[in-house]
Amino acid sequence: AQTVTQSQPEMSVQEAETVTLSCTYDTSESDYYLFWYKQPPSRQMILVIRQEAYKQQNATENRFSVNFQKAAKSFSLKISDSQLGDAAMYFCASLEGSNYKLTFGKGTLLTVNP
Amino acid sequence: NAGVMQNPRHLVRRRGQEARLRCSPMKGHSHVYWYRQLPEEGLKFMVYLQKENIIDESGMPKERFSAEFPKEGPSILRIQQVVRGDSAAYFCASSTSAGANVLTFGAGSRLTVL
Repeated sequence: AQTVTQSQPEMSVQEAETVTLSCTYDTSESDYYLFWYKQPPSRQMILVIRQEAYKQQNATENRFSVNFQKAAKSFSLKISDSQLGDAAMYFCASLEGSNYKLTFGKGTLLTVNP
Repeated sequence: NAGVMQNPRHLVRRRGQEARLRCSPMKGHSHVYWYRQLPEEGLKFMVYLQKENIIDESGMPKERFSAEFPKEGPSILRIQQVVRGDSAAYFCASSTSAGANVLTFGAGSRLTVL
């Protein structure tokens, strides 16, 4: 069974600074996907970034990038030039390639201070 | 494209009543997934449906919970004889094909059981 662990229940960052959110996972599959979702106070689940395990290059979406360390089963999210609108709960999730069930971590609540 | 539509956004029920949550997938999506988010937790898979078929309900509680996705109309998650422990946010997601690597979430329905 897959497991996803987010060891930081809460993080804070100053506006315009950089913050890194941690995530580790465990899977027995060689084919899998990793995701970061953002859940603002509206509760909408918004996909931030996706990484295919077979790709060595770290995924990047504008100010959001990941550090995917496959051997260490680590998948951290870096947010650069943090903005007030980045304040939200962030969930790390994994999906085994042969499956359709996402497994989520417990989330990290990010606060952005002006 | 209106995205995944869920209603109601908020539902209050007394213990013993029934709760019905509706989900209209994105246009062109024939695969629907329901997830539950308990307080302070990440989302957990409940059930996966295609039109008129339940594919996997391994995450559903054995009693009181049922789901359907009829040929016409939205997918329905039904909870009979609700208890306080059913209080949670229920999220629906949809995809064009089996596999959650291109999954779109709705905004969720928050059920409160008094």
